[in-house]
Amino acid sequence: GAGVSQTPSNKVTEKGKYVELRCDPISGHTALYWYRQSLGQGPEFLIYFQGTGAADDSGLPNDRFFAVRPEGSVSTLKIQRTERGDSAVYLCASSLQGADTQYFGPGTRLTVL
Amino acid sequence: AQSVTQLDSHVSVSEGTPVLLRCNYSSSYSPSLFWYVQHPNKGLQLLLKYTSAATLVKGINGFEAEFKKSETSFHLTKPSAHMSDAAEYFCVVSTLNTGFQKLVFGTGTRLLVSP
Repeated sequence: GAGVSQTPSNKVTEKGKYVELRCDPISGHTALYWYRQSLGQGPEFLIYFQGTGAADDSGLPNDRFFAVRPEGSVSTLKIQRTERGDSAVYLCASSLQGADTQYFGPGTRLTVL
Repeated sequence: AQSVTQLDSHVSVSEGTPVLLRCNYSSSYSPSLFWYVQHPNKGLQLLLKYTSAATLVKGINGFEAEFKKSETSFHLTKPSAHMSDAAEYFCVVSTLNTGFQKLVFGTGTRLLVSP
């Protein structure tokens, strides 16, 4: 079956701009996660959704970052006033429930010039 | 708090020789431990996971790992490396005390396989 998909695969933007990154989880998965992977590092947790609600957003670095999942399926990560330090690969994962194995998408590589 | 330390940033082996990727963990609770592999331009793929059942865990593609509580280690091994094993490997710890699997990744080990 289809895995987790993310669009776009690459995004180049200028400092100060607004960007949206999209994640389509595996069908039927109620749990969705966002991670950020900086160059040479392992992924770092950003936010966890159970259904439509953000159950844990403790990993969001500041209030420029926001994520939504309005219908409990597709999620969008939104970054306002982008900074060069936001450049990273943003990974999305989904699982059947919060306690289950997470399946990762291929990521969106964000470059802020 | 949970953390993992991957002791080698790079490991080089020849095809057909054994692979050992080292990982030490720290956790205040009974941990779940995972190894994920990341091939270039591909998503992270789960190799294997330990969740307090058997301490020797077998995964995909001939990999296995042994949970050693006394040493707080969860090293990944494979008897014979294949060229297709060349990738980045992440050791991961999580607990369910937050109500979900909050994954904490190590910094990764790049495995290089030469012919």
